[in-house]
Amino acid sequence: EAGVAQSPRYKIIEKRQSVAFWCNPISGHATLYWYQQILGQGPKLLIQFQNNGVVDDSQLPKDRFSAERLKGVDSTLKIQPAKLEDSAVYLCASSYPPRGSPLHFGNGTRLTVT
Amino acid sequence: QQPVQSPQAVILREGEDAVINCSSSKALYSVHWYRQKHGEAPVFLMILLKGGEQKGHEKISASFNEKKQQSSLYLTASQLSYSGTYFCGTGGYSGNTPLVFGKGTRLSVIA
Repeated sequence: EAGVAQSPRYKIIEKRQSVAFWCNPISGHATLYWYQQILGQGPKLLIQFQNNGVVDDSQLPKDRFSAERLKGVDSTLKIQPAKLEDSAVYLCASSYPPRGSPLHFGNGTRLTVT
Repeated sequence: QQPVQSPQAVILREGEDAVINCSSSKALYSVHWYRQKHGEAPVFLMILLKGGEQKGHEKISASFNEKKQQSSLYLTASQLSYSGTYFCGTGGYSGNTPLVFGKGTRLSVIA
């Protein structure tokens, strides 16, 4: 089966600019996650979708981050405006069903904010 | 609540064994284990869903003590390919509780 697709692979922007990341989960996976991984740390959940509804976004900095899942398939994560501390790898993962199943991660987008 | 992993880092020679521990202060429904190589995505190793259950994957196995809210990952006869950072992710009992990952254990296997 095709894996989780993410783009772009790398992105360099200046602070206060905006950026968007795209994710296409594995076909049939109802649950989609966006994680932020800062160098040397474990992935930190930003938002979890079940189909096109939000299950958990308690750690999403909503003043600058937004995410949507179009028609319960693809998802986009946006940062506007970016800060230096947003430099990280943004990982998208999907699973089926939501509980007790493995997460399949994409290769991530490495964001550098200068 | 982020689970605590120990040790933070370990260096092994090929053929040696290692144990990585993961503990939580909250009641757990599940524990996931993933391995991440430098510059790559985390890769699923195994999930443990019941207290006291032990699972195996080649020479890698894990146990889950639900009462102690702990899990351990056992790597036996380590190979160079085992090098990477190992993360445990813990899930609670309430429906759709998201996985919370630990900070990881960096494992280096040398010849």
